[in-house]
Formats: sequence, C-alpha cells, structure tokens
Amino acid sequence: EVVLTQSPGTLSLSPGERVTLSCRASQSVSSNYLAWYQRKPGQAPRLLIYAASNRATGIPDRFSGSGSGTDFTLTIRRLEPEDFAVYYCQHYGASPPITFGGGTQVEIK
Amino acid sequence: QDLLVESGGGVVQPGRSLTLSCAASRFTFKIYGMYWVRQSPGKGLEWLAYISFDGRLKNYAESVRGRFTISRDNSKGTLHLQMNSLRADDSALYYCAKRLDSDYAMDVWGQGTTVIVSS
Repeated sequence: EVVLTQSPGTLSLSPGERVTLSCRASQSVSSNYLAWYQRKPGQAPRLLIYAASNRATGIPDRFSGSGSGTDFTLTIRRLEPEDFAVYYCQHYGASPPITFGGGTQVEIK
Repeated sequence: QDLLVESGGGVVQPGRSLTLSCAASRFTFKIYGMYWVRQSPGKGLEWLAYISFDGRLKNYAESVRGRFTISRDNSKGTLHLQMNSLRADDSALYYCAKRLDSDYAMDVWGQGTTVIVSS
C-alpha cells in the first residue's frame, strides 16, 4: 500500500499569494497515478489534477501539478478567495488499494 | 453536467446491515467504472470499493472486505453498496464517484449520504 504524506498540515495565506503543497509517497507511484482534489465544507471533493500534471475539465490554469516517483506538488499560482479549502492527494491505479493523503488545509491569514 | 445522487443513509445499530444507492444521470453510466469513498468525522478520505463498468471486476479496501459488497445495475443507472456487520467506526459520510474515462481518478462525485452506527 502506498502511504501518502502531505505537508504542511495547514497553511495560512492571503489572496494573491502563490501556494505550493507537497505530497510524498512511501514508494514510487507507477504511471504517475497521482491526483489532487479540493474539498470545501459541505461540498463533495472536486478533481483538480490527475496523472500528476493533467488539469481536469474546467479547472482554472492557476492550478498546476508536477512531480514523479515519490514527490509530487500542487501549485496554485495566485490564490483566489474561492481557493481556501482542504487539498488531498490520492494514489490510484489499476491495482488497489487506492489511498489518500491526510490533506492540507489552506486557510485565510 | 454529470450527476450522482446518493441515498440510503441513516442511523443503524451495530451489527446490522444497510444498503446505499447512487443514482447516475446525464452521462452513460454503463461505460464507466465507479467507486465508493467515505469520510469519517474529523478524518480524511478513505476509498472503500471499486467496480468496473461491466461489474466483472470488484476491489475492496481491507477495512471493509468481507463485510461490504459493491454492485451495479446498468439498466437502471444505479450503483449500490451493501454494508453488513456495521461497526461504530463505519459512521461516515459516504460518497459514490465516477471514474475518469481516460484514467482511474474520480472526476464526478455525489454529495454524499450519512451513515451513523449507534445503539
């Protein structure tokens, strides 16, 4: 099972700032099967990035994903007010189990 | 826009059973793999089960294998999760999610249905 560790646990930032979120896997992630989701209170998770660096349909280009192997990053170029949320990384693929990281909360400073 | 709506949650006693359903609309349900995921209070997201588009392949998380069963009815556009031998730590918000067509990520999620296991 791939264990995902997200850091930091919480980030306090202001609108307009650049954000870099980290997700480290306990072993190499095959085929870059790594996704990022955004979760706001009272809402379902929203797919942002799949296959490490591909933006999902309708996701603004201020969101970008990068990385390979065991180290992955989600970057938000300029924080918008609606971007304050919890972000999860996820390892998935043809072979289970699917695992999620513990999440990083991005809060307003 | 693709839509998933879960139902069937509620309060159930430990050891009892409950079946969740997920109704799909606005997309061709029968060609997509589907997932169940849950989030317990104060905890992160936990994948529970996956079923292939035709129902032939099913995978389960270790925490629910042998107790939960995923199934689907492509003629009705519905996904199900039968949960047996429920425990207090099964209390959570349960989501169904659709597999992205070109990948295994989850691109559409329902709003969730709440299960509380309590005596």
